[in-house]
Amino acid sequence: DAKTTQPTSMDCAEGRAANLPCNHSTISGNEYVYWYRQIHSQGPQYIIHGLKNNETNEMASLIITEDRKSSTLILPHATLRDTAVYYCSGTSYGKLTFGQGTILTVHP
Amino acid sequence: DAGVIQSPRHEVTEMGQEVTLRCKPISGHNSLFWYRQTMMRGLELLIYFNNNVPIDDSGMPEDRFSAKMPNASFSTLKIQPSEPRDSAVYFCASTPTDRLGAFFGQGTRLTVV
Repeated sequence: DAKTTQPTSMDCAEGRAANLPCNHSTISGNEYVYWYRQIHSQGPQYIIHGLKNNETNEMASLIITEDRKSSTLILPHATLRDTAVYYCSGTSYGKLTFGQGTILTVHP
Repeated sequence: DAGVIQSPRHEVTEMGQEVTLRCKPISGHNSLFWYRQTMMRGLELLIYFNNNVPIDDSGMPEDRFSAKMPNASFSTLKIQPSEPRDSAVYFCASTPTDRLGAFFGQGTRLTVV
C-alpha cells in the first residue's frame, strides 16, 4: 500500500476553495487514490476516488498529477460544516488504510 | 438502507472480561473492514473480509483479538481478555466492491477499566 503524506493542518475562509494536498510517491499502478473525511467522532465519510483521471462529484474534485505521485482534493466553496480531518489513501485489492490526515478548519 | 450498524455504541468493561463488538454491513456489500481509532495511533486497519473470508488480518494486534464473519450480514470482533490499552473507538465499514468507497458505522466506544 502506498505511504501517504499530508500537511497536519490547514485553514480556509468560508466560501473560498479549500485545496488539500497529498503525496503518495510510492503508489503503484493499480492503486486507487481515495479521500475520506471524519467530522468529530463520527465514522469516516467517503468523498471521492480516482486512478489516473481527474474526478468530480457533488462533494469535491480530485486532481491527480500525471505521474500519480500526488493529488489534490478541492472543496470549491468551503462551509463551516466542512471542518474535519481529511484523509487520503492509496488502496489496492480492497485494503483501505489511513494516515494521520489533515485537520481542515474553515473559519467565518 | 440504514447504513452500517454497530452495537453497542458504548461499552465499559473491567479488565480481563470478554468483549464482543457487532457489525451489520449494508446489504449487498461484499467487503467488510474493522478499524480501531485512538489519539496516539489514529485509524488502524485490524482485519478485512471479502465474501465472508478473512483476507488480511495483519493488523490484529494480538491473539486476544479475533474476528468472524459467519454470513454476509453479520460480523463480530472479540477481545478476550480485555486490557485497558484496548480502550478505543472501533469502527466497522463495508463496501460493495474493492473499487468503490467504503461506508462506515458510527463506531463502538470501548472503555476497559
